[in-house]
Amino acid sequence: EAGVAQSPRYKIIEKRQSVAFWCNPISGHATLYWYQQILGQGPKLLIQFQNNGVVDDSQLPKDRFSAERLKGVDSTLKIQPAKLEDSAVYLCASSSFRGRGAFFGQGTRLTVV
Amino acid sequence: DAKTTQPPSMDCAEGRAANLPCNHSTISGNEYVYWYRQIHSQGPQYIIHGLKNNETNEMASLIITEDRKSSTLILPHATLRDTAVYYCIPRGEYGNKLVFGAGTILRVKS
Repeated sequence: EAGVAQSPRYKIIEKRQSVAFWCNPISGHATLYWYQQILGQGPKLLIQFQNNGVVDDSQLPKDRFSAERLKGVDSTLKIQPAKLEDSAVYLCASSSFRGRGAFFGQGTRLTVV
Repeated sequence: DAKTTQPPSMDCAEGRAANLPCNHSTISGNEYVYWYRQIHSQGPQYIIHGLKNNETNEMASLIITEDRKSSTLILPHATLRDTAVYYCIPRGEYGNKLVFGAGTILRVKS
């Protein structure tokens, strides 16, 4: 089966600019996650969708981060305006109800300068 | 969310078994133990999961203690490509989030 697709792979922006990341989950997976991974740390969940509804966004900095999942398939994560501390890898993952946890994409490495 | 404790790092000789421990003493009765690994510059990869019985697949074996307070992931014949960060994660099986800790850095050396 095709894996989780993310784009772009790398992005460099200046602070206060905006940026968007795109994720296409595995076909048929109802649950979609966005994680932030800062260098040297484990991934941190930002937001979890079940179909196109938000299940958990308790750790999403809502003053600058937003995410949507239109039609319960693709998802976009946006940062506006970016700060230096947003430099990280942004990982998208998806899962179905049948065990095996979640499948992750390669991630987008964001550098804010 | 159940808290886990893993050693920060471990070394293993190539071809030998790698045994990675995890303490999850606060795991709840309906939570499975999931193991993931993350190779440099890649997203986390699922390895194996179990509830209370030992499990084995093509990648690894998982040994869970009878009281479920700890588990060990076993890579039977470690290769250089097994060098990665390994995460132990308690999780309900259906649709729940994965909460990652710091994990164990496994270095396989020739």
